Amino acid sequence: DGGITQSPKYLFRKEGQNVTLSCEQNLNHDAMYWYRQDPGQGLRLIYYSQIVNDFQKGDIAEGYSVSREKKESFPLTVTSAQKNPTAFYLCASNSPGGAVRQPQHFGDGTRLSIL
Amino acid sequence: AQSVSQHNHHVILSEAASLELGCNYSYGGTVNLFWYVQYPGQHLQLLLKYFSGDPLVKGIKGFEAEFIKSKFSFNLRKPSVQWSDTAEYFCAVNAFNYGGSQGNLIFGKGTKLSVKP
Repeated sequence: DGGITQSPKYLFRKEGQNVTLSCEQNLNHDAMYWYRQDPGQGLRLIYYSQIVNDFQKGDIAEGYSVSREKKESFPLTVTSAQKNPTAFYLCASNSPGGAVRQPQHFGDGTRLSIL
Repeated sequence: AQSVSQHNHHVILSEAASLELGCNYSYGGTVNLFWYVQYPGQHLQLLLKYFSGDPLVKGIKGFEAEFIKSKFSFNLRKPSVQWSDTAEYFCAVNAFNYGGSQGNLIFGKGTKLSVKP
């Protein structure tokens, strides 16, 4: 079955440490997205990529970095500069579909906690 | 800036009660509208979407939503809820910029629905 795979499901970070969250999709989607979900805050866009080797900052990009070397993969690095990294991170993808953007498909998420 | 407001943070209903979750957005141009649902421990799933045409949209599991352009609203409804509808519901808007390009998806803060058996 096609879908989005995020790993790991749970991740713990020590102070001052960078960690990388994996997101892989086999839906042949061009666009991929990273969101952060906090209780009562909904989903906020961190970074997105419409095409390989290109990505754009979302609303809360500070302290995060991404790469898009392959169409299937869009890893997110939470750097030590992110002062409040504890959250649930969701990866999504879609095909922009020309004039009409298609609904985004979501992965199961990674829960990041600080030790 | 564009924004999406969901009026209720937490709604508690008994089974068979009717449901209406409010969603308003702030944007005067063309929009695509979505409702997503997140069941406990599961990923976000698309419940229904509105792109154009009939403003009354039917989704999965008996849900429907009505787009009222004059009110900038896209409220979600279900005539009779079940315990299995317990989940968090997110309204999302994808606005077309004045230049014709699409903006990113903007999510509301979500509404938790608890259905008592």
